[in-house]
Amino acid sequence: GQQLNQSPQSMFIQEGEDVSMNCTSSSIFNTWLWYKQDPGEGPVLLIALYKAGELTSNGRLTAQFGITRKDSFLNISASIPSDVGIYFCAGAGGTSYGKLTFGQGTILTVHP
Amino acid sequence: GAGVSQSPSNKVTEKGKDVELRCDPISGHTALYWYRQSLGQGLEFLIYFQGNSAPDKSGLPSDRFSAERTGGSVSTLTIQRTQQEDSAVYLCASRGDTQYFGPGTRLTVL
Repeated sequence: GQQLNQSPQSMFIQEGEDVSMNCTSSSIFNTWLWYKQDPGEGPVLLIALYKAGELTSNGRLTAQFGITRKDSFLNISASIPSDVGIYFCAGAGGTSYGKLTFGQGTILTVHP
Repeated sequence: GAGVSQSPSNKVTEKGKDVELRCDPISGHTALYWYRQSLGQGLEFLIYFQGNSAPDKSGLPSDRFSAERTGGSVSTLTIQRTQQEDSAVYLCASRGDTQYFGPGTRLTVL
């Protein structure tokens, strides 16, 4: 089946630093999504990407849909303590209407 | 309600017992999904309901797992004869413009 490889598995950074994480797939996806999950809660959508090459920002977050449709990255600029959590990439074969395939997650720790 | 709700939030059961997990989707959302998240892992798709269409059950790991959605709203995920490897967080999502997740049910099988 489809698999997403997400890296890095974990990151320890200082407040104010920029962060970058990425996902690669062996298969093509038509939609890429990035989620953040806090302890004891479900994932919350951060950014949705629907077109190859698309670059989208949401505040301090920027994500890109790779031109090959097999990869995506998420950047967080000027990190703050509340950025702590687990970040997941997810891909869908059709639109975000379909079932999602998730990466393994990146655990982000931000030191004040 | 404002979001997807799930109950119970935690469930501890003994190996071999059956469990039922409930999901209340966002009102008006026609699509509903169940995922499973094992410790330290990403989410694993289980089953997908869309309106009155036959559900996509391709992610169910065994025939001990089943789900139903009554009246196009509330859904129940049932696990029969639970095993220790069933221990995980079970997440439900409903779809409007995109998928919105509930807080999950943490299942522990002793």
